[in-house]
Amino acid sequence: NAGVTQTPKFQVLKTGQSMTLQCAQDMNHEYMSWYRQDPGMGLRLIHYSVGAGITDQGEVPNGYNVSRSTTEDFPLRLLSAAPSQTSVYFCASRQILNSPLHFGNGTRLTVT
Amino acid sequence: EDKVVQSPLSLVVHEGDTVTLNCSYEVTNFRSLLWYKQEKKAPTFLFMLTSSGIEKKSGRLSSILDKKELFSILNITATQTGDSAIYLCAVNTGNQFYFGTGTSLTVIP
Repeated sequence: NAGVTQTPKFQVLKTGQSMTLQCAQDMNHEYMSWYRQDPGMGLRLIHYSVGAGITDQGEVPNGYNVSRSTTEDFPLRLLSAAPSQTSVYFCASRQILNSPLHFGNGTRLTVT
Repeated sequence: EDKVVQSPLSLVVHEGDTVTLNCSYEVTNFRSLLWYKQEKKAPTFLFMLTSSGIEKKSGRLSSILDKKELFSILNITATQTGDSAIYLCAVNTGNQFYFGTGTSLTVIP
């Protein structure tokens, strides 16, 4: 079982560029989510999805888009990268409503 | 505003010491409180607590929740260098999880 797989591991972007962070899980989890982790701020929820075709905003959604066309995949899009989006991004999924999150290994993004 | 506060922010102890990490919360729809350990990469799950007063235990780690006073503690006894990590507390309110900023624990040989 691979669990939650994120790609790429590292990425450097210039301001204004766009890119997609990929997340896939093979545990048949309905719930998937994206977090960013910044020093002194903890993990903050960007967007989440409770199933294919359903997405919703978290605490810090501005500048990010998501879609959920399949149960397995939940990509995160940065439409026009800004230096404030420099962070470590984690994708996480869970099986049922009151169960723990399982995290991917993260993507370290730098925007110059 | 939902929030989770952890203390202390960082801690340096010697091998064999016992440590207590604290987590307090204010949320509108509490479902559960979770503890994670984060080393270099992904946070890994330690405990999930839903009921007050029931201790969860795994080896040298244990945790308990007080839903009246809105806090939880994570205890680590006989610490080892492998316990060095950031310990994260999170509260599940249904479809959202709110994380504290973490406690950075360093165990010196």
